[in-house]
Amino acid sequence: GAVVSQHPSRVICKSGTSVKIECRSLDFQATTMFWYRQFPKQSLMLMATSNEGSKATYEQGVEKDKFLINHASLTLSTLTVTSAHPEDSSFYICSARDSVATEQYFGPGTRLTVL
Amino acid sequence: AQTVTQSQPEMSVQEAETVTLSCTYDTSESDYYLFWYKQPPSRQMILVIRQEAYKQQNATENRFSVNFQKAAKSFSLKISDSQLGDAAMYFCAYRIATNKLIFGTGTLLAVQP
Repeated sequence: GAVVSQHPSRVICKSGTSVKIECRSLDFQATTMFWYRQFPKQSLMLMATSNEGSKATYEQGVEKDKFLINHASLTLSTLTVTSAHPEDSSFYICSARDSVATEQYFGPGTRLTVL
Repeated sequence: AQTVTQSQPEMSVQEAETVTLSCTYDTSESDYYLFWYKQPPSRQMILVIRQEAYKQQNATENRFSVNFQKAAKSFSLKISDSQLGDAAMYFCAYRIATNKLIFGTGTLLAVQP
């Protein structure tokens, strides 16, 4: 089956620093990638849709200048949390979809802790 | 607006028994997909089963089956012969035309030995 990886799996950073999370499709080309955020014991909330070679589409209430998304190639999308604060601590999950699949393939997630 | 509702925050089932998880959704679209995902403690999202709205036949995957009632906008998941490994958070999800997934709030399933 299709595999999506995320790196790092967990990261701890100081308040005010920026953190980059990578999402890679390992065995298929992902024309579209999605970034989700999940708080403890809660559901996944879509943050943004990333299309290769174009600007990401952010969901209402998501600060585009704080959560920078880049989808520069068909196998890689990155999420950069800029000037991270403790309230940004969460579990971030990416998913990827190729041009023919009817479902999304999820990465294993990244746990971000901002001190 | 599309919404997905899971009214059971927690469920429990005895090993080898059958359990049904409920899901309702709201949409004005006629063509869409519905999914059930499993999220074990590892947090990896695992696709359990998928249903295309235009198909009247309920989807089945081994011990997992759905009861899709399009008119009622209901999409329940039945797990037969429950196993300890089925213990997880289960999310119902609806996919809209733009390929975005909208998730329900989840049901935490415990399997008692």
